Amino acid sequence: DADVTQTPRNRITKTGKRIMLECSQTKGHDRMYWYRQDPGLGLRLIYYSFDVKDINKGEISDGYSVSRQAQAKFSLSLESAIPNQTALYFCATSDPGGYGYTFGSGTRLTVV
Amino acid sequence: AQKVTQAQTEISVVEKEDVTLDCVYETRDTTYYLFWYKQPPSGELVFLIRRNSFDEQNEISGRYSWNFQKSTSSFNFTITASQVVDSAVYFCALSEAVSSNDYKLSFGAGTTVTVRA
Repeated sequence: DADVTQTPRNRITKTGKRIMLECSQTKGHDRMYWYRQDPGLGLRLIYYSFDVKDINKGEISDGYSVSRQAQAKFSLSLESAIPNQTALYFCATSDPGGYGYTFGSGTRLTVV
Repeated sequence: AQKVTQAQTEISVVEKEDVTLDCVYETRDTTYYLFWYKQPPSGELVFLIRRNSFDEQNEISGRYSWNFQKSTSSFNFTITASQVVDSAVYFCALSEAVSSNDYKLSFGAGTTVTVRA
């Protein structure tokens, strides 16, 4: 099994729908992250969590929310999806000290 | 302000040519880490190399090498004798502290490398 698992891998949804992207990790790390990738913009940080009780906004959090259900689980929600949220989404976890990051395989989301 | 700048948007080379990817970063921290990742057409992120801010020794690992210079805040990456399988998007990234043990990773915009046979 992968260290970081993202579900679904691909999703097409309609404008206005609520959608949740899920992420689970088996690394035993406290720190988890959600990134969004758009062509030509690299990966941008949406939300991050340094432990179960800690949630922080990243640089592009508008239109998104997160839930840290357990150390191993960190979900990203789009309450009302819009077409410009079409992107590739990555979840990651890291060890303490910022030395090693492990990424999931990504979720390709299309909002039509 | 962009913390990591990759000035080259696209690079196209013929197989066996060397490719150097530029990366300039910005940080006030004294302890930080720099990374290079590869994203092939399949989409996953593949970790390539990592350097900490206290180690400016440049190294070679197979066909990969890097040049870390704190004085110019640069962390350049070279692929020697490129191959078609090297075609991918390459990201430079900076890991900085938010608190004593908590870090977050900032990415550059990426450089698309195309290696032609």
